[in-house]
Amino acid sequence: DIQMTQSPSSLYASAGDRVTITCRASQSIRSYLNWYQQKPGKAPKLLIYGASHLQGGVPSRFSGSGSGTDFALTIGSLQPEDFATYYCQQSYITPLTFGGGTKVEI
Amino acid sequence: EVQLLESGGGWVQPGGSLRLSCAASGFTFRNYAMNWVRQAPGKGLEWVSGIGHSGRSIYYADSVQGRFSISRDNSKSTLYLQMSSLRADDTAVYYCAKSGGRVVTATPPFDYWGQGTLVPVSS
Repeated sequence: DIQMTQSPSSLYASAGDRVTITCRASQSIRSYLNWYQQKPGKAPKLLIYGASHLQGGVPSRFSGSGSGTDFALTIGSLQPEDFATYYCQQSYITPLTFGGGTKVEI
Repeated sequence: EVQLLESGGGWVQPGGSLRLSCAASGFTFRNYAMNWVRQAPGKGLEWVSGIGHSGRSIYYADSVQGRFSISRDNSKSTLYLQMSSLRADDTAVYYCAKSGGRVVTATPPFDYWGQGTLVPVSS
């Protein structure tokens, strides 16, 4: 199985900060990497697919980069509604696997 | 508007069985792969199972292989998860998630999610 490792597991930031979360795959997954945002008590929401493609309706302050084994999610200017947990996930092969999550806190 | 509505969750004893359903609307169900993803209390996300658009391709996580069975009824736009031999570590919120294409490994894999249904397994 492909292991997905996210870092950091949590971070503290302020509104307006630029935030970067990284995700590493245990083997190459080309660009089959997706990012999700989850708020407490809610279902996850797709932000980025195919490593760098912004899902419709997602603000442009979110961006994704990387290929192969190393990926990053960047929030250009953190907004109050962005405080949440973020997960990376590979869709290269089954079993589809998620990273452990990064909690972005104030 | 895409809607996914899970049902069938609830308390079950270890060793018991339960069937979850996910009623889909707002898109042509038969054209898309579907998945179940779960989240244990306070933990991260875990993909459980996926099924291709026609129902012929089926995949499971090792943790549920042989105990869970995924299926779909395209005439009813409904996805199912039959769970048996349930264990305490199966306790989770179970989400139904739509794929962006006909196969489970389509990109994106989970573009819409249901609200989830809680399955507590305890004696």
